[in-house]
Amino acid sequence: QSALTQPASVSGSPGQSITISCTGTSSDVGGYNYVSWYQQHPGKAPKLMIYAVSNRPSGVSNRFSGSKSGNTASLTISGLQAEDEADYYCSSYTSSGTPCVFGTGTRVTVL
Amino acid sequence: EVQLVESGGGLVKPGGSLRLSCAATGFTFNSYSMNWVRQAPGKGLEWVSSISHSPSYIYYADSVTGRFTISRDNAKNSLFLQMNSLRAEDTAVYYCARTRKPFTGAFDIWGQGTMVTVSS
Repeated sequence: QSALTQPASVSGSPGQSITISCTGTSSDVGGYNYVSWYQQHPGKAPKLMIYAVSNRPSGVSNRFSGSKSGNTASLTISGLQAEDEADYYCSSYTSSGTPCVFGTGTRVTVL
Repeated sequence: EVQLVESGGGLVKPGGSLRLSCAATGFTFNSYSMNWVRQAPGKGLEWVSSISHSPSYIYYADSVTGRFTISRDNAKNSLFLQMNSLRAEDTAVYYCARTRKPFTGAFDIWGQGTMVTVSS
């Protein structure tokens, strides 16, 4: 099972919006509405930010939103803040014999 | 408080074995599927293994199949990962994570991780 494809890095200025893409196949991202997004600060455990494509867990800021079109899912961060600087990973359920595949990860930098 | 705490990491020689543990508190452990996810130094997240709550269903990544064994003790609220025939490429922080309910494939609670270093 190959990792989902994400851009290595995305940057933006405070207050701006950025979007991170996550591209898979019809066996994972495109086949199920089971895409999740995680935020990871250096030296910390990942934190669930979005589940089932576009749902936010309790306590996650509404500046984070998710969507999907075909085999590509996206995470948008609106009103970028310094605390959003972190690594972001997507994941998807997959029919390819293993229940989970992660994306390659995206480093978000706040300029 | 809902919490997962991993233990058992350390330095081991290539070909050696290690058993990781994950202690769960604050939730009904026996009703949740559980997972191990690892992260090599400076690298991304890699799913390793999953076990259903019962535990009727077990899955492994191709990279660890035949060498790692996931198990759980619901009476002790604990998750385990037995790692045999360890290789240098198994060096990573190992996280245990809870599968969110109802099922969406998301991992909603993570431990702080335990470091495994495979080196001679």
